[in-house]
Amino acid sequence: NAGVTQTPKFQVLKTGQSMTLQCAQDMNHNSMYWYRQDPGMGLRLIYYSASEGTTDKGEVPNGYNVSRLNKREFSLRLESAAPSQTSVYFCASGRDRDEKLFFGSGTQLSVL
Amino acid sequence: KQEVTQIPAALSVPEGENLVLNCSFTDSAIYNLQWFRQDPGKGLTSLLLIQSSQREQTSGRLNASLDKSSGRSTLYIAASQPGDSATYLCAVAGNYQLIWGAGTKLIIKP
Repeated sequence: NAGVTQTPKFQVLKTGQSMTLQCAQDMNHNSMYWYRQDPGMGLRLIYYSASEGTTDKGEVPNGYNVSRLNKREFSLRLESAAPSQTSVYFCASGRDRDEKLFFGSGTQLSVL
Repeated sequence: KQEVTQIPAALSVPEGENLVLNCSFTDSAIYNLQWFRQDPGKGLTSLLLIQSSQREQTSGRLNASLDKSSGRSTLYIAASQPGDSATYLCAVAGNYQLIWGAGTKLIIKP
């Protein structure tokens, strides 16, 4: 049982480059989320998808776009990476908003 | 705006002790509160979820309580073990957004 799978685990980008972080869950969950985690700041929500076909902004959406490709997959795209986007990114899913969240193992992104 | 605070930021105790981790929040209008564990370089694992109508939840050696009126939750760990060493985070749910504390880094000394 894979749970939530994120790729890649590590990535180094130059300022201005673009990339897409992939996330897939095999638990038939409705809700999916993208978070970033920075030292001393806790996790902050970038975007979420309450159900297939819907996406909404979270606390820090600027510089990011998302796609809920189907019920299983939720991708996060950085169109023009900036050093301020250096962070650890986590994807998470849950059956519903009142249910436990399950997290992927994270992507460590460095933007030089 | 909801704010979540966890004190202390770090805690080191000998193996076998019972301990309490604290989480406070400023807005009592919450859907639920979750406690998570994060091991270095890994994702987060949900430990306990307390719905807004509940007062506590238990799982094994862990017990979490919720007092919405005072804006507080505690995570009680009984008979601590070195394997409990990790960072513990609490998160408060409002609509679809979880608001997170910065975590308490717990070290259990053998």
